[in-house]
Amino acid sequence: GAVVSQHPSWVICKSGTSVKIECRSLDFQATTMFWYRQFPKQSLMLMATSNEGSKATYEQGVEKDKFLINHASLTLSTLTVTSAHPEDSSFYICSARTVSTDTQYFGPGTRLTVL
Amino acid sequence: GENVEQHPSTLSVQEGDSAVIKCTYSDSASNYFPWYKQELGKRPQLIIDIRSNVGEKKDQRIAVTLNKTAKHFSLHITETQPEDSAVYFCAASKDSGYALNFGKGTSLLVTP
Repeated sequence: GAVVSQHPSWVICKSGTSVKIECRSLDFQATTMFWYRQFPKQSLMLMATSNEGSKATYEQGVEKDKFLINHASLTLSTLTVTSAHPEDSSFYICSARTVSTDTQYFGPGTRLTVL
Repeated sequence: GENVEQHPSTLSVQEGDSAVIKCTYSDSASNYFPWYKQELGKRPQLIIDIRSNVGEKKDQRIAVTLNKTAKHFSLHITETQPEDSAVYFCAASKDSGYALNFGKGTSLLVTP
């Protein structure tokens, strides 16, 4: 149980385009999902906290108009990187928090490469 | 906000030896301290965690100790094996359901 999926697993896009990444909790309901970003050989940095049915809370320094987060259901949160640029190339990982056990589980990550 | 420091950044040990990774945190409100193992290109995997009401926790070859007064916690791996080679991250948060503040990671290499 407690499986989190992400789609796509990797994406390559041109500079200036937008990319949507989905995070799904497959066998549990997640009222809260977290989005992290990890640059090569670096740690995971929290970008935002996504609560179902409400606006996401962004960490300092993360542009909310550039990284759009939508958490419309208890099993799905999406991160849209708008007008992507090469410096947005990174590994984006979500985690979903189970209500029953108050534990968070990580998705497999999405490798974004912006040319 | 919370600041988690992790040392060393790289660690190389011989198979069978022990490995120790140390972390410190700054926010006294943190009560949950998990450790993750991440292999290249994959998601972090929770290997052990500890809460502030416990000083030590052990799971087979892996143990974690916590000194809440000094605000530091450590990961101990005994009888290391080559498959233990990976990047290990410590983290701290208010509790298990809250956002995690990660350390910078330790790249562990276990040589046969």
